[in-house]
Amino acid sequence: NAGVTQTPKFRILKIGQSMTLQCAQDMNHNYMYWYRQDPGMGLKLIYYSVGAGITDKGEVPNGYNVSRSTTEDFPLRLELAAPSQTSVYFCASSYSSDNEQFFGPGTRLTVL
Amino acid sequence: AQSVTQPDIHITVSEGASLELRCNYSYGATPYLFWYVQSPGQGLQLLLKYFSGDTLVQGIKGFEAEFKRSQSSFNLRKPSVHWSDAAEYFCAVGINNNDMRFGAGTRLTVKP
Repeated sequence: NAGVTQTPKFRILKIGQSMTLQCAQDMNHNYMYWYRQDPGMGLKLIYYSVGAGITDKGEVPNGYNVSRSTTEDFPLRLELAAPSQTSVYFCASSYSSDNEQFFGPGTRLTVL
Repeated sequence: AQSVTQPDIHITVSEGASLELRCNYSYGATPYLFWYVQSPGQGLQLLLKYFSGDTLVQGIKGFEAEFKRSQSSFNLRKPSVHWSDAAEYFCAVGINNNDMRFGAGTRLTVKP
């Protein structure tokens, strides 16, 4: 099993550009999550999904969108990139809500 | 509001010394409690978790944590630190079925 994979590893965007951060898991997990990690701030939940076709907002959803068309994939979309979205983004998955979350390696995004 | 506090931003210990990382939470009910470790450039890995039952939980890599309801704490301990334990450690609280709040993290440096 590859676990949770994320692409790209690094990306630099200009203000106003859009991009999609990809996340995939091969563990047949129902739950998937997107977090952002800012220096000294820990991780904050952006969006989560409890299964294909179901998504919901987390603590900091503004400026982002997600979709979950399959169990395996959970892409995160930035429509109009802003400098405040410079961060490291982590995708995670778990079998259920009270099980361990498995994290991907992260995507480091810089918006200039 | 629910919150997780890790009072120590950075801790330095000598190899072989004991370690205690502090975590306090603010939440109305007994939450699910977690400790994760993050090595540089990596995602998070679960060290241990507490859901219910015995308040002293054992984790991987020789770590343990004790849940103290009266102090709203879940401190992480290790009796003898190894150089490979140098990393960032995050305490997290599951506040409902799908939301997890992380502390800001404690960076551990191990001196030879």
